[in-house]
Amino acid sequence: AQSVAQPEDQVNVAEGNPLTVKCTYSVSGNPYLFWYVQYPNRGLQFLLKYITGDNLVKGSYGFEAEFNKSQTSFHLKKPSALVSDSALYFCAVRDVADTGRRALTFGSGTRLQVQP
Amino acid sequence: DTEVTQTPKHLVMGMTNKKSLKCEQHMGHRAMYWYKQKAKKPPELMFVYSYEKLSINESVPSRFSPECPNSSLLNLHLHALQPEDSALYLCASSPGVGTGNSGANVLTFGAGSRLTVL
Repeated sequence: AQSVAQPEDQVNVAEGNPLTVKCTYSVSGNPYLFWYVQYPNRGLQFLLKYITGDNLVKGSYGFEAEFNKSQTSFHLKKPSALVSDSALYFCAVRDVADTGRRALTFGSGTRLQVQP
Repeated sequence: DTEVTQTPKHLVMGMTNKKSLKCEQHMGHRAMYWYKQKAKKPPELMFVYSYEKLSINESVPSRFSPECPNSSLLNLHLHALQPEDSALYLCASSPGVGTGNSGANVLTFGAGSRLTVL
C-alpha cells in the first residue's frame, strides 16, 4: 500500500521569506513523488516530480523539493515566497513497481497563505 | 496544445435530471481519468481509461457512467444524482499507463466542472 501525509493544514509565511510545505510518504518499494498546486476553482497544476537521481528537484515558479529517503520525506521549498504563491498544495506518491495502472495517492493538501 | 478542456464549467441539476460532463485533450495522451473533489479535500479517483478501455472503476455508483468515444474525448454521464454528489469533477490525462516507467507520468488536469445537485 502507498500513502502520503501532509501534516500541516495551513502554512502562513510573509512575502519574501522562505517557505516549506511538508510531505512524508510510505511505499513498499521506491517512490515516484509529485507536487501539484491548485488555485481556487481550478484543476491541479504540476510543479515537480522526483523519479531517481539527484535528491534536489527543481520545478516550476521557483519551487524545489528535497527527497530524503531515510526520513521518507519530500518537502516543497521556495527561497522567497510571493503573494501569488497562495494556493492549495498537494503531495502525491506512486510506487515505482506500479506501471501507472493504479492512481496516484494524494495527500490531504496544505493551504499556503503568503501575507504581503 | 497542452491543455485539458472541460465543459461545462458549472452545472446545476435536479435529482431527476440527466446531464453529461465532457473532457477533451489533444496531446496524444492515451490515459484519461475522472476525479471527484469535495471542498478542501484531495481529488478522489473515480475512473481510468487506458487506450479507450475502462481499466479502473473505483467502486463508483452506477448513477455515474463514463464513456470514452475516442482517444481525445472522455464523458461522464450523470443520472439520478444525490445532493452529496455536488463537487468539482476533474478530468486528467497522461501519456499512458501499464508500460515501462509510466508510473512516473505527469497527469495534466482540466480546470474542472463544478456540479451542484439540488
